[in-house]
Amino acid sequence: DGGITQSPKYLFRKEGQNVTLSCEQNLNHDAMYWYRQDPGQGLRLIYYSQIVNDFQKGDIAEGYSVSREKKESFPLTVTSAQKNPTAFYLCASSTASGRAFYEQYFGPGTRLTVT
Amino acid sequence: RKEVEQDPGPFNVPEGATVAFNCTYSNSASQSFFWYRQDCRKEPKLLMSVYSSGNEDGRFTAQLNRASQYISLLIRDSKLSDSATYLCVVSPYNTDKLIFGTGTRLQVFP
Repeated sequence: DGGITQSPKYLFRKEGQNVTLSCEQNLNHDAMYWYRQDPGQGLRLIYYSQIVNDFQKGDIAEGYSVSREKKESFPLTVTSAQKNPTAFYLCASSTASGRAFYEQYFGPGTRLTVT
Repeated sequence: RKEVEQDPGPFNVPEGATVAFNCTYSNSASQSFFWYRQDCRKEPKLLMSVYSSGNEDGRFTAQLNRASQYISLLIRDSKLSDSATYLCVVSPYNTDKLIFGTGTRLQVFP
C-alpha cells in the first residue's frame, strides 16, 4: 500500500530534550512538508522540501530542524529551543513542486507532549 | 486580516439536510483551491479540488467566486458520517505553499 507513515503516534518528552519525528513516504512524491496544529488553529507550515538535499523554512521554523537525505524520508527534530513544542505534528507530501496545483496528502500525525 | 477565513461553526444539521460553507481568501492572485476534511484527532484528507467552473463529486459541490474571493462547499443529503471539520485551503500564485483555514465544524444529528 502506498502512503505516508509517521512514527510514533504519541510521543512524550521532558522539557530540554531534543526529539526527532519520523516521516516516510512511498508515493514517489518530490515535495514533503511539516506542519503543526494546535487546538482551534489552522495548520502552520514549519519546513518544506521540494527536492532531496534542499529544504526551506516555513512560517514557524524557529526551534525546529529537518533533513532530506532521501526522497522518501523527511525527519523533523524539535529542539529544546522550541518554546511551545506540545502539538499535533503532521507530515505531508505532494507530487508537484514549483507548479500551480498542490494536492497534499497527509500522514496520520504524531502527538508530541513535552512536560 | 487572515489569509483564509472560515466560520468555525459548529453547524448542527439533521440527516438529509443540505448545508453550505463559505470561505474567503485575501490574496487575489491565489490559484489553487481545495477542501479537506478532518475528523477529530486525525489527519486532514483531501475532499476535493475546486475548479473555476465549479465541480461536483456525488453529494458535494464546490464553487469558486474569484471576483468576491470566496469558495464554497455544498453538501446535500447530509449523512451522520459527514460530521467532521472542513478545511478551506488556498495556494497563492507562484508559491509552493498551501494556506489552511482554521476549519468549519459540521455535526449531523439523527
